[in-house]
Amino acid sequence: KAGVTQTPRYLIKTRGQQVTLSCSPISGHRSVSWYQQTPGQGLQFLFEYFSETQRNKGNFPGRFSGRQFSNSRSEMNVSTLELGDSALYLCASSPRAGGLTDTQYFGPGTRLTVL
Amino acid sequence: KNEVEQSPQNLTAQEGEFITINCSYSVGISALHWLQQHPGGGIVSLFMLSSGKKKHGRLIATINIQEKHSSLHITASHPRDSAVYICAVSKGMNYGGSQGNLIFGKGTKLSVKP
Repeated sequence: KAGVTQTPRYLIKTRGQQVTLSCSPISGHRSVSWYQQTPGQGLQFLFEYFSETQRNKGNFPGRFSGRQFSNSRSEMNVSTLELGDSALYLCASSPRAGGLTDTQYFGPGTRLTVL
Repeated sequence: KNEVEQSPQNLTAQEGEFITINCSYSVGISALHWLQQHPGGGIVSLFMLSSGKKKHGRLIATINIQEKHSSLHITASHPRDSAVYICAVSKGMNYGGSQGNLIFGKGTKLSVKP
């Protein structure tokens, strides 16, 4: 089975722009979670989707949003980019409805740089 | 104080040594995860625990719910074990409650010398 894939792998944007990142889970996995990793804050949970519904959400401003499609693929969007949004964005999928209480399979991440 | 604390922050060991990484948390949890992150950035889930002990190869993870503490042990360490090990706890409602969260420790950077 193919692993979790994320596109694009690298992205450079300027302040004020918006960006959309994509995540394709492992085939058959229905739970997708998103995470932000920065040198200062480490890993932080953004949100989790299951069956096209957001089930859990971390402590991020409303500029961070996401959605999940019927084929379980997920996108996250960041509007009005700030310098502090520069980070590695990771998504992970889980095979069962447990989501955050299930084994997470991580993608390679998208490295976002905001100039 | 962080809700998830790991120790030590950095650890250097000689090949073959027994290694222990500790994780303490201060919140009620549904599950605890141990993750491994290599220098390239890829993250691999090693264990997901809600009680007791799990073993996979040379890796052993234990959790004590009453003491809110978990340990990750590596027996007969090898240079390929060099990585950052991250503890994460799943807390709150996970079924539509919008309050569930996964909280991460800062990680333990392990370097195993040949």
